[in-house]
Amino acid sequence: GDSVTQTEGLVTVTEGLPVMLNCTYQTAYSDVAFFWYVQYLNEAPKLLLRSSTDNKRTEHQGFHATLHKSSSSFHLQKSSVQLSDSALYYCALRVQGTGSKLSFGKGAKLTVSP
Amino acid sequence: EAAVTQSPRSKVAVTGGKVTLSCHQTNNHDYMYWYRQDTGHGLRLIHYSYVADSTEKGDIPDGYKASRPSQENFSLILELASLSQTAVYFCASSLGGYSYEQYFGPGTRLTVL
Repeated sequence: GDSVTQTEGLVTVTEGLPVMLNCTYQTAYSDVAFFWYVQYLNEAPKLLLRSSTDNKRTEHQGFHATLHKSSSSFHLQKSSVQLSDSALYYCALRVQGTGSKLSFGKGAKLTVSP
Repeated sequence: EAAVTQSPRSKVAVTGGKVTLSCHQTNNHDYMYWYRQDTGHGLRLIHYSYVADSTEKGDIPDGYKASRPSQENFSLILELASLSQTAVYFCASSLGGYSYEQYFGPGTRLTVL
């Protein structure tokens, strides 16, 4: 089946430094979209980035990710993190024709320290 | 802005009791989903539906039932609540098609004692 493997657990970064959260996937389907969701404390998950185009960079709120089908990856990066970026981050994929289900990774809790 | 609401927002239930969690969306979306969130497991799909009066099993359906009486409403039912079902439950809705995002409700914190 489809699966997502991402950076898990706690990730602590000092304010102003870069961060990369890894995301790799396995799927047999070609019609696939990839997402990064962000969840702030006591809130619902919400979309941060999405992509379905190979080798195209997608950006939002200072974060960016590029889908690389050759390496089955969709890593999330930011060059300079802020305290407000502290949150839980999920990588997910969605495949056409499977009830449009999202397959989530287990999530990474990013803590930005002063 | 897409809108998904859930009720109740929190609930304490007794072991063996029946619990019903409700979800309502005003997005005119065909697809609705129920997830549970646990530390270390992330978001796991329990049930989903793509049309009224029909539901499908997700990845962890055991111990849960779902009901979709209309396009707008989707319920999750725990017939015999157990301690292991203590978690935060999220409802979501989306359009069909793999490139569309899912919109999540605010969540229900369920504690089973």
